[in-house]
Amino acid sequence: EDQVTQSPEALRLQEGESSSLNCSYTVSGLRGLFWYRQDPGKGPEFLFTLYSAGEEKEKERLKATLTKKESFLHITAPKPEDSATYLCAVQALQGGSEKLVFGKGTKLTVNP
Amino acid sequence: KAGVTQTPRYLIKTRGQQVTLSCSPISGHRSVSWYQQTPGQGLQFLFEYFSETQRNKGNFPGRFSGRQFSNSRSEMNVSTLELGDSALYLCASSPVGNYGYTFGSGTRLTVV
Repeated sequence: EDQVTQSPEALRLQEGESSSLNCSYTVSGLRGLFWYRQDPGKGPEFLFTLYSAGEEKEKERLKATLTKKESFLHITAPKPEDSATYLCAVQALQGGSEKLVFGKGTKLTVNP
Repeated sequence: KAGVTQTPRYLIKTRGQQVTLSCSPISGHRSVSWYQQTPGQGLQFLFEYFSETQRNKGNFPGRFSGRQFSNSRSEMNVSTLELGDSALYLCASSPVGNYGYTFGSGTRLTVV
């Protein structure tokens, strides 16, 4: 069964304190790995897609990396506005079509 | 360009009633997926529609159903509501259903 596990469940950082979020996955036929950011009461907002091991993507203070078994979301010098829940999802092939399998997310709080 | 629009934003229903939620995808997107989000289970895949056909279905009871119209707008219906159906229901659209998923802000359903 396709599974995605994110750790830690919650993370508190001081402004400027860099850290990483982990997403480990087991899926047959990985088509892609997605990172989303979700603010309270809103839908997930797309951040990155990674397709193959060794791939890296960057956007402002965020950098996503991918290995064969896991992905990391590195946050460099975070600001309070980076506070959100970060969701990881894998795109899996099932029954001839594709779906996203999500982890439960990491809730990040950045204190000023 | 306009994003994914979900209506209504909030809904309160009584146990045993039925409910219909609506999703208008981004113009040109032909794939619409539905997800249920709860604090305990995270985001769980309900079903995906592409060109008016259900392509994939998650592990939810038959009380959950959906359809897609020729203009790609989609509706999902939940019959005989239970307290456990209280959740944020999210819709995501994609050009062809294999990349570039964009989420709406969701419909918050509360069953009392």
